[in-house]
Amino acid sequence: GESVGLHLPTLSVQEGDNSIINCAYSNSASDYFIWYKQESGKGPQFIIDIRSNMDKRQGQRVTVLLNKTVKHLSLQIAATQPGDSAVYFCAEINSSGGYNKLIFGAGTRLAVHP
Amino acid sequence: EAGVAQSPRYKIIEKRQSVAFWCNPISGHATLYWYQQILGQGPKLLIQFQNNGVVDDSQLPKDRFSAERLKGVDSTLKIQPAKLEDSAVYLCASSLDRGNYNEQFFGPGTRLTVL
Repeated sequence: GESVGLHLPTLSVQEGDNSIINCAYSNSASDYFIWYKQESGKGPQFIIDIRSNMDKRQGQRVTVLLNKTVKHLSLQIAATQPGDSAVYFCAEINSSGGYNKLIFGAGTRLAVHP
Repeated sequence: EAGVAQSPRYKIIEKRQSVAFWCNPISGHATLYWYQQILGQGPKLLIQFQNNGVVDDSQLPKDRFSAERLKGVDSTLKIQPAKLEDSAVYLCASSLDRGNYNEQFFGPGTRLTVL
């Protein structure tokens, strides 16, 4: 299938290692953030979310950290597997218009090597 | 549960031609979105419908792009005439409408190449 991010920054990790993907967001008023995974030839898929009143949230093998002071999000993937290879996007919800609008950040390609 | 369906999956046209994309959202989802994803970038919202009404079309280039959702279910996105910079993946997504933010489910996208 086609690649979704030929020119994206790439994080290369060995299978079994932990991965950390970082993201900066723009709107200090955003109160909800989501990480998406996008595999080649597919649409983005929800991984984990976090509200602005939290600084950490854990899922299965994934943890999201939120630092509102510096407007920074990170996604940590434990024991990275080949199936984790994809492009990862952070997104923020902007509600300033009276409705929820999803704004995607720049993506990072994760390449997992055996 | 069936996901968001889109067709065609791929389309190649020459500049100044017209093209249309079709989306069938998840059954019962009131809100439908069209995104444009240029290679190497995150998706950018083009238009958002709630049922058959437009909620946000502020980033839709209305001189050449149009979208409709006549019966509040399926939607079509049209480009007429296409330009080289329209080459991108066009993603459709849908979500329930229950007030607070609801997860958006994305289709596989249509990859458009304008020559």
